[in-house]
Amino acid sequence: RKEVEQDPGPFNVPEGATVAFNCTYSNSASQSFFWYRQDCRKEPKLLMSVYSSGNEDGRFTAQLNRASQYISLLIRDSKLSDSATYLCVVNQLTAGNKLTFGGGTRVLVKP
Amino acid sequence: NAGVTQTPKFQVLKTGQSMTLQCAQDMNHNSMYWYRQDPGMGLRLIYYSASEGTTDKGEVPNGYNVSRLNKREFSLRLESAAPSQTSVYFCASRNSGSDYGYTFGSGTRLTVV
Repeated sequence: RKEVEQDPGPFNVPEGATVAFNCTYSNSASQSFFWYRQDCRKEPKLLMSVYSSGNEDGRFTAQLNRASQYISLLIRDSKLSDSATYLCVVNQLTAGNKLTFGGGTRVLVKP
Repeated sequence: NAGVTQTPKFQVLKTGQSMTLQCAQDMNHNSMYWYRQDPGMGLRLIYYSASEGTTDKGEVPNGYNVSRLNKREFSLRLESAAPSQTSVYFCASRNSGSDYGYTFGSGTRLTVV
């Protein structure tokens, strides 16, 4: 089993719709969680951190469920520019201060 | 602008040639990392440096060497390039503490023919 798992998609989303997807992690001791966005042929960029109580940043809402060991990302009022791959990233407190990446969920927003 | 700078952005090598990928960060981060990304494979860790003066192997270190030259710079060397090393290479840095994510460089697109 992978340490951090994501549905690879693609999620085909009509413009203006809401889309949500999850990421599961295997290490219950994981301390912190992030969502990154990666556009085609570009570097990953931090979208948002995920806090225990859940948090929102504009049209994006992130949730953490420690009991079931998953985090989620919801995008409201999808824009064409939201088309990207969304990477789930987990801090499992491993040696080297490393983060663990999921394989990414691809989202395609269509007119 | 503050961030992670990688050079070169593109490179074509012949099999057997050597080269060094350069990475520098100006955010005073302690930890630096080299990843490669291939289609369908996600990001795979090659080498990392948790702090100045230390380096360790990641998931796919074979065929690579690294140098943490100082706190700012972390280079990746291919001694004898192989076609299997054709990939996009990302350098990243991170501060200590669980609340911080990575900051990535813009990547080096390497083709070995």
